[in-house]
Amino acid sequence: DSGVTQTPKHLITATGQRVTLRCSPRSGDLSVYWYQQSLDQGLQFLIQYYNGEERAKGNILERFSAQQFPDLHSELNLSSLELGDSALYFCASSAQDRSNEKLFFGSGTQLSVL
Amino acid sequence: LAKTTQPISMDSYEGQEVNITCSHNNIATNDYITWYQQFPSQGPRFIIQGYKTKVTNEVASLFIPADRKSSTLSLPRVSLSDTAVYYCLVGDSRSNDYKLSFGAGTTVTVRA
Repeated sequence: DSGVTQTPKHLITATGQRVTLRCSPRSGDLSVYWYQQSLDQGLQFLIQYYNGEERAKGNILERFSAQQFPDLHSELNLSSLELGDSALYFCASSAQDRSNEKLFFGSGTQLSVL
Repeated sequence: LAKTTQPISMDSYEGQEVNITCSHNNIATNDYITWYQQFPSQGPRFIIQGYKTKVTNEVASLFIPADRKSSTLSLPRVSLSDTAVYYCLVGDSRSNDYKLSFGAGTTVTVRA
């Protein structure tokens, strides 16, 4: 158990809909990262938050947004969903924001867009 | 951004030692090398991290030559449960980008 909690584990929805994925980082970790992993794809970085502030951005679509709340949990919002958004979404956390820190990953949310 | 290159896949048999080499020619002085393991439908898991020479833990060993332009993850006496994707990451102290891309990793398949 990494200590990172993601909910829900599975999500099935239709095209055009909006969903929210939730992540609770390890106790004491200030950084949260979101990754997307599609079939046969590597882990694609989406966005990082550190202590409530956006820290780094990857190739995140404009239809996607995220935030980190004062209690440090984070939510990833996906809107106007398309079939291609079906993927495994991972959240990771680390203690600080230094380049050599270990990342601890959650078990992911499997999103299926039908 | 410190770029890494590693083999796409490797096959092995139970009980053998598996060595995965990662190239990182533009590694910076302050950068560490970190390896993660990912099983299907699970999040990656930290395996080992090193800066130079050799690091060993209960799971693996990491060998880093003096020039640090490459590193080798060694998995001793693998079992079927070691079948996974292994990612090599190099921290880039000049930016925060290293965590941004895990690349394709090396798919290790262990056969009976």
